Amino acid sequence: AQKVTQAQTEISVVEKEDVTLDCVYETRDTTYYLFWYKQPPSGELVFLIRRNSFDEQNEISGRYSWNFQKSTSSFNFTITASQVVDSAVYFCALLSLSGSARQLTFGSGTQLTVLP
Amino acid sequence: GAGVSQTPSNKVTEKGKYVELRCDPISGHTALYWYRQSLGQGPEFLIYFQGTGAADDSGLPNDRFFAVRPEGSVSTLKIQRTERGDSAVYLCASSSPHGLVAGTDTQYFGPGTRLTVL
Repeated sequence: AQKVTQAQTEISVVEKEDVTLDCVYETRDTTYYLFWYKQPPSGELVFLIRRNSFDEQNEISGRYSWNFQKSTSSFNFTITASQVVDSAVYFCALLSLSGSARQLTFGSGTQLTVLP
Repeated sequence: GAGVSQTPSNKVTEKGKYVELRCDPISGHTALYWYRQSLGQGPEFLIYFQGTGAADDSGLPNDRFFAVRPEGSVSTLKIQRTERGDSAVYLCASSSPHGLVAGTDTQYFGPGTRLTVL
């Protein structure tokens, strides 16, 4: 079975601070994909980043960066110089390729509040 | 281009009634997914279509829930004899057929339908 754990329920930071959102996953599959989605107050899930299990290279995209470590089954997400518009619920998700299954398994989300 | 659209945006019904929720995927996306999100939780998988067929319906909670995608585009999620516990936001997502393995491309979500069962 797949499982995604986001231990941080709520985080509050002041604008321009950096913030890291933690994600730990469990899967027995050797091939899988990891995602981060953002859900602002409007409710629509917005895709942010994606990583496959074969590529542990960490990258930076604008103010976003991520740290994927297979050894600890973690896929952490960092926002640099946070802005008020970053306030949202952030979900980490796992897509395991098991048979015909293509379902995303989501964590319970982290509510990020960026204060002006 | 246009994203995933869902109608209605809100649906209020009474316990025991039948409801239909519609999803229009991104044009050209062959894979379509339904999820359900309860308040304060992450989305939970319901069913996955590849083309017209349901490739994985393991997430449907019981036989009151059924989904169709007759022409491989628009999908309808049908709930019979609704119960108060069915109240949630129902999310639809679609993904393109361009992945090396079917269904592995990024899933793009619609705005959801908020279902309230009184």
